[in-house]
Amino acid sequence: SAVISQKPSRDICQRGTSLTIQCQVDSQVTMMFWYRQQPGQSLTLIATANQGSEATYESGFVIDKFPISRPNLTFSTLTVSNMSPEDSSIYLCSVEDLDREYGTEQFFGPGTRLTVL
Amino acid sequence: TQLLEQSPQFLSIQEGENLTVYCNSSSVFSSLQWYRQEPGEGPVLLVTVVTGGEVKKLKRLTFQFGDARKDSSLHITAAQPGDTGLYLCAGGFSTNAGKSTFGDGTTLTVKP
Repeated sequence: SAVISQKPSRDICQRGTSLTIQCQVDSQVTMMFWYRQQPGQSLTLIATANQGSEATYESGFVIDKFPISRPNLTFSTLTVSNMSPEDSSIYLCSVEDLDREYGTEQFFGPGTRLTVL
Repeated sequence: TQLLEQSPQFLSIQEGENLTVYCNSSSVFSSLQWYRQEPGEGPVLLVTVVTGGEVKKLKRLTFQFGDARKDSSLHITAAQPGDTGLYLCAGGFSTNAGKSTFGDGTTLTVKP
């Protein structure tokens, strides 16, 4: 399975500022995703990070607020722009990896815990 | 919109007890995954089931995929404090690779 690291692991930010979260995978993967998770709750997909093209955003998420980069098959960044306290959440990077038995499986990074004051 | 409903939402039990978590949907999934997430960590994949009626065992954990591939259950035997965490089910579609639908989650607390 793919090994995923995220930086930073946590941060406390002031409202109105922006934070860029990095996601690094130890192998080349086709699909990379960004999720948001409120503590103790389930996951909400923000967008699919596409290599070499613009990310595909889910309903309720826009590029101006959550710009995403994916310069290659092992790395992606998510920026949370013009932050407000409502953006306080855990942000998770995820990848889809090939499995011999099931075709594909989804794996997650450790997450970035963001608190906006 | 495909929805996955998990029950119960919260579960607090004593060490040694058994428990079952359910994951139900009106949609048919190509595959279904179960994850466990500890505080401060990302979800960790426990199992993937793909065949209707499939049963998989992982030590004290037993996973079952419904015959119609719309529901699944996770049974833990003799729960231990180390089983504490958030359990998430996620349904996948072969025609929508990578965009799994996640359940609401079940928060399990096992008291020593």
